[in-house]
Amino acid sequence: DAGVIQSPRHEVTEMGQEVTLRCKPISGHDYLFWYRQTMMRGLELLIYFNNNVPIDDSGMPEDRFSAKMPNASFSTLKIQPSEPRDSAVYFCASTLGPAGGYTFGSGTRLTVV
Amino acid sequence: GIQVEQSPPDLILQEGANSTLRCNFSDSVNNLQWFHQNPWGQLINLFYIPSGTKQNGRLSATTVATERYSLLYISSSQTTDSGVYFCAVVYTDSWGKLQFGAGTQVVVTP
Repeated sequence: DAGVIQSPRHEVTEMGQEVTLRCKPISGHDYLFWYRQTMMRGLELLIYFNNNVPIDDSGMPEDRFSAKMPNASFSTLKIQPSEPRDSAVYFCASTLGPAGGYTFGSGTRLTVV
Repeated sequence: GIQVEQSPPDLILQEGANSTLRCNFSDSVNNLQWFHQNPWGQLINLFYIPSGTKQNGRLSATTVATERYSLLYISSSQTTDSGVYFCAVVYTDSWGKLQFGAGTQVVVTP
């Protein structure tokens, strides 16, 4: 298995622009998670899905953030409009179930200037 | 308050040394994992260990769930062990939400 695949690896955008991050989970994993990592706040859970349905989005910082999972093999995290404070590394992870090992993608390093 | 506490925050080791990293958690868990974030930023799952002891090469981990702590042992450290080690838990009443500690930054010098 190729693991959890995220794209792009790096994204530099101007403030106010829309940013879309993409994730392909491991085939057969029913749970998908989006995390954000910053120096100040560490690794934070933004949202997670079970069988393509959003279960908990309490970590999504603002209405500017939205996430979708249209099918079992694809998810997006969108920021519109982006702001410099959104600069961070965004990770996607998947697992068979919450009582099991989680596999993380390589992350997307987002820089908003 | 702090829900996953790791210690020490930083650790400098000479190659070949052994070390122990600690993770304390505040309530019952049904999932505990240790991750290594390498200098390139990749998060690698080392152990899934909600209880008991596991070993993988020079690394081993022990979780004592009743006392709410887990330990990660690194033996005969190598420079490739450098990076940040994270403990992450899913509390029983927070189903699915893997919560991370602040990590232990490990530097192994030649």
